[in-house]
Amino acid sequence: KNEVEQSPQNLTAQEGEFITINCSYSVGISALHWLQQHPGGGIVSLFMLSSGKKKHGRLIATINIQEKHSSLHITASHPRDSAVYICAVSGGGADGLTFGKGTHLIIQP
Amino acid sequence: GAVVSQHPSRVICKSGTSVKIECRSLDFQATTMFWYRQFPKQSLMLMATSNEGSKATYEQGVEKDKFLINHASLTLSTLTVTSAHPEDSSFYICSAHRAGGTDTQYFGPGTRLTVL
Repeated sequence: KNEVEQSPQNLTAQEGEFITINCSYSVGISALHWLQQHPGGGIVSLFMLSSGKKKHGRLIATINIQEKHSSLHITASHPRDSAVYICAVSGGGADGLTFGKGTHLIIQP
Repeated sequence: GAVVSQHPSRVICKSGTSVKIECRSLDFQATTMFWYRQFPKQSLMLMATSNEGSKATYEQGVEKDKFLINHASLTLSTLTVTSAHPEDSSFYICSAHRAGGTDTQYFGPGTRLTVL
């Protein structure tokens, strides 16, 4: 069973700061997902990675398969980025996800 | 595209009643749907994997007779919480894997169940 660890658990930053959230896992995977969960509970899929780096707007996700580690970066952070960011891994397309505990991010104006 | 809906979004029921939650893929066919549960301040946990036309596969510790899953079509899976008790109060969320797609899973908005 894959163990997914995220850090930090909680992060408070000022608007405009560069944010990094880290994720490590214990067993080889097919894909790693970064998800965003807002206070109401709904989940939005931000990225799915199997190698390298992806960028979408102010969000950047990287993964190092050899080191079993991924990072999510937010540039020019904004209060609307405040949410819980969750890392999840899967062994393959038809496999359920194993989730990290999430990083609770607060961006203060 | 790739929209997944869940109904209801919120339900409050009395202890002992059964509650059905629907998960639909609106614009794609989903051969596999997943049901997850999230207790307050905890991470999401996989409950079961639902494949169209076959029996669901349950994770260890999840009672299959209590959480009935039906995946009768490529666009609909249902989770029925039978004889619900207060400890079943949780946030239930489904995701769908597109037939012939990549590893991406598309999440529904979730259902908050409160059992009194």
